[in-house]
Amino acid sequence: RKEVEQDPGPFNVPEGATVAFNCTYSNSASQSFFWYRQDCRKEPKLLMSVYSSGNEDGRFTAQLNRASQYISLLIRDSKLSDSATYLCAVIFSYNFNKFYFGSGTKLNVKP
Amino acid sequence: DAGVIQSPRHEVTEMGQEVTLRCKPISGHDYLFWYRQTMMRGLELLIYFNNNVPIDDSGMPEDRFSAKMPNASFSTLKIQPSEPRDSAVYFCASSEKGTGNEKLFFGSGTQLSVL
Repeated sequence: RKEVEQDPGPFNVPEGATVAFNCTYSNSASQSFFWYRQDCRKEPKLLMSVYSSGNEDGRFTAQLNRASQYISLLIRDSKLSDSATYLCAVIFSYNFNKFYFGSGTKLNVKP
Repeated sequence: DAGVIQSPRHEVTEMGQEVTLRCKPISGHDYLFWYRQTMMRGLELLIYFNNNVPIDDSGMPEDRFSAKMPNASFSTLKIQPSEPRDSAVYFCASSEKGTGNEKLFFGSGTQLSVL
């Protein structure tokens, strides 16, 4: 089983829709959690960190559920420019600074 | 800051040739990572360094792959001999010293095609 797993999608949604992705991780001793965005043929870029209490950045909300070992990303009022692949990343506490990535969830926002 | 700099952006080579990928991390970052990304396997960690010392190379596919970090501002990933199945995008990334809120910054990647 992979350390971090995501539904590859694609998620096809209309502009203005709300869409949510989940990412599950295998190790309960996970330390830090992140969402990255990757545009086609580009490098991944940090979208937001995920804090235990949940956090919001504009239209984006990230949440952590330690009991069920997953993190989520909610995008409200989707824009065409949100079309990208969203990767989750986890650092396990026993292996500080080693980032494990999911394979990514592809989002297509349609006009 | 210029960010993580990788070269070359694209590399096309023939099977059996040696390939060297280069990376300059962000100044002041203690950690440097080499990742490989393919459609089939996603983003895989190959090796990472802390203060120029290799910490974990368990992701390196086989002996044909080697990585070095001779100083804090330069690292190489070498494949010798290269094979078609090595074709992928290779990313270098760097981060600051572990604080529990590390942020990983990626270079633009090297698109490697082995014919």
